[in-house]
Amino acid sequence: DGGITQSPKYLFRKEGQNVTLSCEQNLNHDAMYWYRQDPGQGLRLIYYSQIVNDFQKGDIAEGYSVSREKKESFPLTVTSAQKNPTAFYLCASSRLGQPQHFGDGTRLSIL
Amino acid sequence: SQQGEEDPQALSIQEGENATMNCSYKTSINNLQWYRQNSGRGLVHLILIRSNEREKHSGRLRVTLDTSKKSSSLLITASRAADTASYFCATDFAGGTSYGKLTFGQGTILTVHP
Repeated sequence: DGGITQSPKYLFRKEGQNVTLSCEQNLNHDAMYWYRQDPGQGLRLIYYSQIVNDFQKGDIAEGYSVSREKKESFPLTVTSAQKNPTAFYLCASSRLGQPQHFGDGTRLSIL
Repeated sequence: SQQGEEDPQALSIQEGENATMNCSYKTSINNLQWYRQNSGRGLVHLILIRSNEREKHSGRLRVTLDTSKKSSSLLITASRAADTASYFCATDFAGGTSYGKLTFGQGTILTVHP
C-alpha cells in the first residue's frame, strides 16, 4: 500500500547530540513537509521541499536541518542548537496544492 | 501571525448530537482544509474547500466557508464515539511562491460520549 513512513516512533536525545528522524514516502509526491507539534498545540512548519534538491525554511527552522536528495526521502536532523527539542514530529507529503498525507510521527524526548 | 484560530478549544457531546467547530483566518486563501488527529497519530485529511466554494459535504461532514468574514465551520452530524479526536483547520494562503504550504490552527478537541 502507498503511504508515508516515519521512524523511529520514539527517540531519545542526549545533551549535545544531533539526531536524525527518517521520513519515506512511496506516493510519488513532489512536496514533503516537516512539522513540530507541542502538547495541546497545532502544527508548526519546520521545513518543506517542493522538489528534489530544493527546500525552504518554515516558521521554526532554527536548530533543524534537512536534505532532499531523493524524491522519496526527506530526513530531518535535530541539532544540538535546538534547545527545546522535546515534541512530536510529523512528516507529510502531497502533490502541489493537494491535501497532505501524514506519517504517524516520531516522539522525541531529552535524556 | 497568519495562523488560524479555532473555537471552541474543546467540545464534549453525547453520541447522536451534532458537533460544530469554527475556524477563522487573517489573509486571502487558495483553499481551507480540515484534518482529524487521533491521539498519538498523524493527521488525516477530511475535506478541502476552495476559496470560490461556499459549502461542501462529505458523508456526515459539512464544511462552510465565508471569505468575507474569513471564517469556516465544520459540522459533524449524528456523532459517534469513534469521532472522538482533535480537529484542525489549515489554510493555504494565496500569493507568494509557497503554494501548497499550510498554516494550521490550534485545533478543537472533540469528545463524544457513548
